[in-house]
Amino acid sequence: GDSVTQMEGPVTLSEEAFLTINCTYTATGYPSLFWYVQYPGEGLQLLLKATKADDKGSNKGFEATYRKETTSFHLEKGSVQVSDSAVYFCALSDQDGANSKLTFGKGITLSVRP
Amino acid sequence: GAVVSQHPSRVICKSGTSVKIECRSLDFQATTMFWYRQFPKKSLMLMATSNEGSKATYEQGVEKDKFLINHASLTLSTLTVTSAHPEDSSFYICSAGTSGSTGTDTQYFGPGTRLTVL
Repeated sequence: GDSVTQMEGPVTLSEEAFLTINCTYTATGYPSLFWYVQYPGEGLQLLLKATKADDKGSNKGFEATYRKETTSFHLEKGSVQVSDSAVYFCALSDQDGANSKLTFGKGITLSVRP
Repeated sequence: GAVVSQHPSRVICKSGTSVKIECRSLDFQATTMFWYRQFPKKSLMLMATSNEGSKATYEQGVEKDKFLINHASLTLSTLTVTSAHPEDSSFYICSAGTSGSTGTDTQYFGPGTRLTVL
């Protein structure tokens, strides 16, 4: 079945540092890929998505590129802020739709210190 | 943006009792809602897909008689944990899908419900 693997955490960075969070997936067909973020005490929010190979999703300074050849969707940000401290989940869906179930990675906690 | 609420946010109950958790889409209609369970330091695990007006579809290994799901309207789905036991203690999260104004479909997640069974 489909699966998502994220790098082990937690990750602690200083403000303005460069961030990379690795995500690889296993799926049949051509899934859509997502990054969700969960801020402390809040529900998951969609951060960005990509629906086909070589697409780049971006939002709030975060970027991720759908790499079919390496089955990866790594999340990057050039300069993190304290407000980026949260749990980040990589996920996939076999369809690009609101009514399709998501398969999540384990999530990784990011802490950014001033 | 679209908002999904859950009630209650926290519940503590005695072993053997039943607990109902509500999931509401506040400003949009959701044909499909999903129920997830999140263990500490673990991923979200999909429990079931809830469709308005029809029976829920449960994932393999999820007991449908223990986790009753009712999707009574386009804005409300409920999860009832029947005869709860300590091993049912977990964080339960729902999500609902909608089509955005730009045509981009996405799912919106509720804030979750922390269930503790004593």
